[in-house]
Amino acid sequence: SQWGEENLQALSIQEGEDVTMNCSYKTYTTVVHWYRQDSGRGPALIILIRSNEREKRSGRLRATLDTSSQSSSLSITAAQCEDTAVYFCATETGANTGKLTFGHGTILRVHP
Amino acid sequence: EAAVTQSPRSKVAVTGGKVTLSCHQTNNHDYMYWYRQDTGHGLRLIHYSYVADSTEKGDIPDGYKASRPSQENFSLILELASLSQTAVYFCATRDNNQAPLFGEGTRLSVL
Repeated sequence: SQWGEENLQALSIQEGEDVTMNCSYKTYTTVVHWYRQDSGRGPALIILIRSNEREKRSGRLRATLDTSSQSSSLSITAAQCEDTAVYFCATETGANTGKLTFGHGTILRVHP
Repeated sequence: EAAVTQSPRSKVAVTGGKVTLSCHQTNNHDYMYWYRQDTGHGLRLIHYSYVADSTEKGDIPDGYKASRPSQENFSLILELASLSQTAVYFCATRDNNQAPLFGEGTRLSVL
């Protein structure tokens, strides 16, 4: 498997809490994509972090990338009910190919 | 606004039948991709294309063909549909050095 995590994981939190999702990968990549997928919809890119960036922020989102340990994380600050979704990390195969290898994802449920 | 339109949005097919899934883009992107998603899993790459009239095999091409007759259109063809091909299929397009933009998916059930 491309990924250290073998199963779809689930997290359940209360609104206002912070949450971090982790993924590890086995093959070399220069960029990690983080997508969210709402029920019945296609994945939507929420943040992209490249190998020359250790951290990337976008609003309440923060992504990190550690190429030495081949791992990435996505944190959401002060989660809201609208953040309920499935979150995937994906690595890009080759340079500038757009060919993605997805992890199994994390189901995040944010309760009011 | 950039758009990736998939048709049909859902389909029921019989085992051994032929199925064609279509993808149309208005983005004028060179790159197009077909992925499948099984319940509880991430997406896996089936076929992709960098230019019209050319297609490449992805990670799981067996049992699928692809066709890119124009810049805008990319089809996925199942010549002999099987039960194991029941899944949700996503088309994506991409501009150079950008992240892929996904369509809304086609839910395929093979009975």
